[in-house]
Amino acid sequence: NAGVMQNPRHLVRRRGQEARLRCSPVKGHSHVYWYRQLPEEGLKFMVYLQKENIIDESGMPKERFSAEFPKEGPSILRIQQVVRGDSAAYFCASSPPGAGHTTDTQYFGPGTRLTVL
Amino acid sequence: AQTVTQSQPEMSVQEAETVTLSCTYDTSESDYYLFWYKQPPSRQMILVIRQEAYKQQNATENRFSVNFQKAAKSFSLKISDSQLGDAAMYFCAYRTRWGGGATNKLIFGTGTLLAVQP
Repeated sequence: NAGVMQNPRHLVRRRGQEARLRCSPVKGHSHVYWYRQLPEEGLKFMVYLQKENIIDESGMPKERFSAEFPKEGPSILRIQQVVRGDSAAYFCASSPPGAGHTTDTQYFGPGTRLTVL
Repeated sequence: AQTVTQSQPEMSVQEAETVTLSCTYDTSESDYYLFWYKQPPSRQMILVIRQEAYKQQNATENRFSVNFQKAAKSFSLKISDSQLGDAAMYFCAYRTRWGGGATNKLIFGTGTLLAVQP
């Protein structure tokens, strides 16, 4: 019974490169959330996706950041032309479809730590 | 907009003792969820306990319990019989109950770092 999986766990990029972060939700979960944790801070919401749809991207920077959750395959958070300020831990969480208790709880992956040199 | 405040950046407790972590929040909504997550040094976010605002009964999970005071907008976490493995950063989080397709995002506090002394 695999939980949320994220890869890579650690990613190093130089300024100007692209970063791709992957998230495989719990099997059967159709809701995916991305959060960012800057050093010494709490998690901040970035984007909420359901299969093939972006539901809420109010926390996503307007430029350079994009997210997708295709019908098949993992969710991808893409950061173009990374800058040092993008260095952070990026967490993915998932929840199942439908209504009720279990849909209200988000289960987190281990995170991807991005370092921009 | 909803906010979550954790006013204790750090706390310390002796092994086997009890400790309470504080959390307050601000919202105009009447129905919502509250959560405590634990983040150990591995940085994995682990759900500790959840509370539905419409339930008056305080949630309990083994050694973990909450004191939910809806009128005061307070949601504290009590850890009984503290163990070395409880040492971690603890985050309080808020989520609206239902937005009819609107966001399910979690709003987190800044965290409390708990140290457990042997």
